[in-house]
Amino acid sequence: DAGITQSPRHKVTETGTPVTLRCHQTENHRYMYWYRQDPGHGLRLIHYSYGVKDTDKGEVSDGYSVSRSKTEDFLLTLESATSSQTSVYFCAIKTSGALGFHEQYFGPGTRLTVT
Amino acid sequence: GNSVTQMEGPVTLSEEAFLTINCTYTATGYPSLFWYVQYPGEGLQLLLKATKADDKGSNKGFEATYRKETTSFHLEKGSVQVSDSAVYFCALSDPKTGNQFYFGTGTSLTVIP
Repeated sequence: DAGITQSPRHKVTETGTPVTLRCHQTENHRYMYWYRQDPGHGLRLIHYSYGVKDTDKGEVSDGYSVSRSKTEDFLLTLESATSSQTSVYFCAIKTSGALGFHEQYFGPGTRLTVT
Repeated sequence: GNSVTQMEGPVTLSEEAFLTINCTYTATGYPSLFWYVQYPGEGLQLLLKATKADDKGSNKGFEATYRKETTSFHLEKGSVQVSDSAVYFCALSDPKTGNQFYFGTGTSLTVIP
C-alpha cells in the first residue's frame, strides 16, 4: 500500500459537463500518473507529473488536463466530458531509486460514467 | 518503441492446474519487467518483477524469468487456486529513464473448483 487514495470512487455525469478527479498520496513521491483502463486496451497513460507544476502528456491526453500544485495531489480534469471518456481511471506513483529499480503503485480507481 | 504483448484471454483452469501466461516485449535497451494482478473492483497490485536478464521474480507461488534472448517474461504457477482468479498484466519500464511504464492488455484468469 503506497498510501494512494482517489476521489470520487464512482461518478456519473452528463455529456458536456466538467469533471475533476483527485489523486492523493501520503509518501511524497515525485512522479504521479493518470491512466485509463478500457476493455481490450489495458492501461493507457493520459498524463504524468514529475514534480509540482511539472507535467507531460501521455498517449491519450486529448480532452484531459492535469494540475499539480502540491506534491501530494494530482488532479485530472475533463473540461467537457464525452461518452468516450466513460472509463475506469487509475492514479499511480513511481518509487524513486536507481534506474531499473523503480516500481509503480496504483490507487483503487475511479469509475466514471458519462451519459 | 516500447511495447508489451501478452496472450489473449480469458483463461479458465481447474484448481491445482499449471498456469502459464505468455508475455513478450519490445524495448530499446534493457527494461525492468513486471507482472501486476488486478482483483475485481480493485487497482493493480505489483505481483513480481525482474530488473535484468536471467533474473527470476517470484511471489505467492508465481514466477517469471527475464529472457533477453526471446524478449519474454512468461508468468507461471505450478498449482492455481480459486483465489488466483484475477486479471494479470505484464509491464515494462522505459529502459532509458524509468519514468514511463508500458502495459499489456491484460489476461483474465478464472480458476474453477
